[in-house]
Amino acid sequence: SQKIEQNSEALNIQEGKTATLTCNYTNYSPAYLQWYRQDPGRGPVFLLLIRENEKEKRKERLKVTFDTTLKQSLFHITASQPADSATYLCAPQGGRRALTFGSGTRLQVQP
Amino acid sequence: GAGVSQSPRYKVTKRGQDVALRCDPISGHVSLYWYRQALGQGPEFLTYFNYEAQQDKSGLPNDRFSAERPEGSISTLTIQRTEQRDSAMYRCASSLGLEDTQYFGPGTRLTVL
Repeated sequence: SQKIEQNSEALNIQEGKTATLTCNYTNYSPAYLQWYRQDPGRGPVFLLLIRENEKEKRKERLKVTFDTTLKQSLFHITASQPADSATYLCAPQGGRRALTFGSGTRLQVQP
Repeated sequence: GAGVSQSPRYKVTKRGQDVALRCDPISGHVSLYWYRQALGQGPEFLTYFNYEAQQDKSGLPNDRFSAERPEGSISTLTIQRTEQRDSAMYRCASSLGLEDTQYFGPGTRLTVL
């Protein structure tokens, strides 16, 4: 069955460092993959979409890579700030419009 | 509207009662999705509409759950004969339709006693 794995343990880093979050998927051939941010008590907010033919995508301090051979996406936040603290969800997508989300990784940026 | 809205924000009901959860999508958004989210988990797909047509209901847990979007705008998710295991955050999302970037509402927290 299709499976999405994100590190369930919280990631704690110091302000100014680069945060790297991992999303692995199995039994999937997604045409593209989305990353969302979710703050406590709020709905997920779209951040980035990367297509299967794109290796890397950037948006301000965010960078996403998509390796269809490894079946993995990496999400990087450079020069991290305490305001980046949140849960980050990945959603590989293929075959239907609805999203299938991973369980998310909580990021905590210490000042 | 400015964003996706959902009502009520909180609903407490007794086991066996029916509940109706409402979603008002962003104006002009063709696609509307219902998800359920447990604490510490990502949203779990329930059903999806394109305009008024229910395109995919494969995520609905059983026949107590139903959804409609009769005029292609507001949608209602109905849960009949609620059970304690139905307690969760129910989230609605809408998208313009093409790139599938989804905009989520604040959710309805359902508690079944």
